Amino acid sequence: GAVVSQHPSWVICKSGTSVKIECRSLDFQATTMFWYRQFPKQSLMLMATSNEGSKATYEQGVEKDKFLINHASLTLSTLTVTSAHPEDSSFYICSARDAREDHNEQFFGPGTRLTVL
Amino acid sequence: GQNIDQPTEMTATEGAIVQINCTYQTSGFNGLFWYQQHAGEAPTFLSYNVLDGLEEKGRFSSFLSRSKGYSYLLLKELQMKDSASYLCAVLDSNYQLIWGAGTKLIIKP
Repeated sequence: GAVVSQHPSWVICKSGTSVKIECRSLDFQATTMFWYRQFPKQSLMLMATSNEGSKATYEQGVEKDKFLINHASLTLSTLTVTSAHPEDSSFYICSARDAREDHNEQFFGPGTRLTVL
Repeated sequence: GQNIDQPTEMTATEGAIVQINCTYQTSGFNGLFWYQQHAGEAPTFLSYNVLDGLEEKGRFSSFLSRSKGYSYLLLKELQMKDSASYLCAVLDSNYQLIWGAGTKLIIKP
């Protein structure tokens, strides 16, 4: 099956710093990647949809200046949490859709656990 | 608005069968997914239904009725490792995944 990797798996940073999370599709080309955030005991919350070569589409309530998304190639999307604060501490998960697949399945990365002190 | 409903939590016994229901109201329908998510991990794909009926895959089966806006995930011969959250998600007319809040399944010996 299709594999999506995320890096780093976990990160601890000080308040005010920026953190970059990478999402890679390893064995397929992903024209669309998705970024989710999940707080403990809650469901996935879609933050933004990232299309290769164009600007990301952010969900209502998600600050695009704070969560910078870049989808520079068909296999890589990055999420940068700028000036992180403790309330940004969460589990960030990316997924990628293989455009060749008929049923539009999303393949998930393993997630990145961010802790902001 | 768009809405996915599934029970918050269910408990079942090892070796038994459990059915997790999901009802949905979405703008358009391009398929329904079930994902399994263990605590602290990302979701993993279990099944996809776009036509009415039952899809069987080993110990897991998924059913869909589009006219009723209803699906269920059936887990047989439950094992302790099946303790996880089960997420129902619908692909709407914009090919956006609409997620349910998940059902936490607790398996007891």
